[in-house]
Amino acid sequence: GEDVEQSLFLSVREGDSSVINCTYTDSSSTYLYWYKQEPGAGLQLLTYIFSNMDMKQDQRLTVLLNKKDKHLSLRIADTQTGDSAIYFCAFLADSGYALNFGKGTSLLVTP
Amino acid sequence: EPEVTQTPSHQVTQMGQEVILRCVPISNHLYFYWYRQILGQKVEFLVSFYNNEISEKSEIFDDQFSVERPDGSNFTLKIRSTKLEDSAMYFCASRVTGTTEAFFGQGTRLTVV
Repeated sequence: GEDVEQSLFLSVREGDSSVINCTYTDSSSTYLYWYKQEPGAGLQLLTYIFSNMDMKQDQRLTVLLNKKDKHLSLRIADTQTGDSAIYFCAFLADSGYALNFGKGTSLLVTP
Repeated sequence: EPEVTQTPSHQVTQMGQEVILRCVPISNHLYFYWYRQILGQKVEFLVSFYNNEISEKSEIFDDQFSVERPDGSNFTLKIRSTKLEDSAMYFCASRVTGTTEAFFGQGTRLTVV
């Protein structure tokens, strides 16, 4: 099966940029996603990128995809305390039905 | 804004008991999913459901698990005889035809004692 790796923890100061990284093994994924989970809440879809794209920008969020290195990253500009949450990268499996998730990166934003 | 809702938010059950977790997907969505997240581990796919039948299931989804869409709005996950290792957060998700964006509920925390 697909192996998806994320660093478990990231701490940044308010106003700085955050970069959350994800590596994967299966190169056939066509859609790659970033989900956010706030304490006690469900998984909120933040953004996604097609595998034929290198970059996607959506307001403060920038997604970068390096297919050669099988590396996906999420950059959050001007990080706010409200951005503190767990961020999951996820990939659509070949079947087109299931999402394969990483373990999540816990982002802590300090004042 | 439409959202996926799950009930209850927390369920405690004794080992060996049956539990039913309930979900109300977004009304125009036709694809439904269950995922689970054991504490400290990754979110794992359990099952997908479309057109009143299972379209895919994982190895986790054994004979102890079943899903049902009993009416036009609810989507349920039943665990027949719960085990301690079934303790997890269970997420329901749904999506509309023609997209790949799945919308998740807030989850049901199942604790088996």
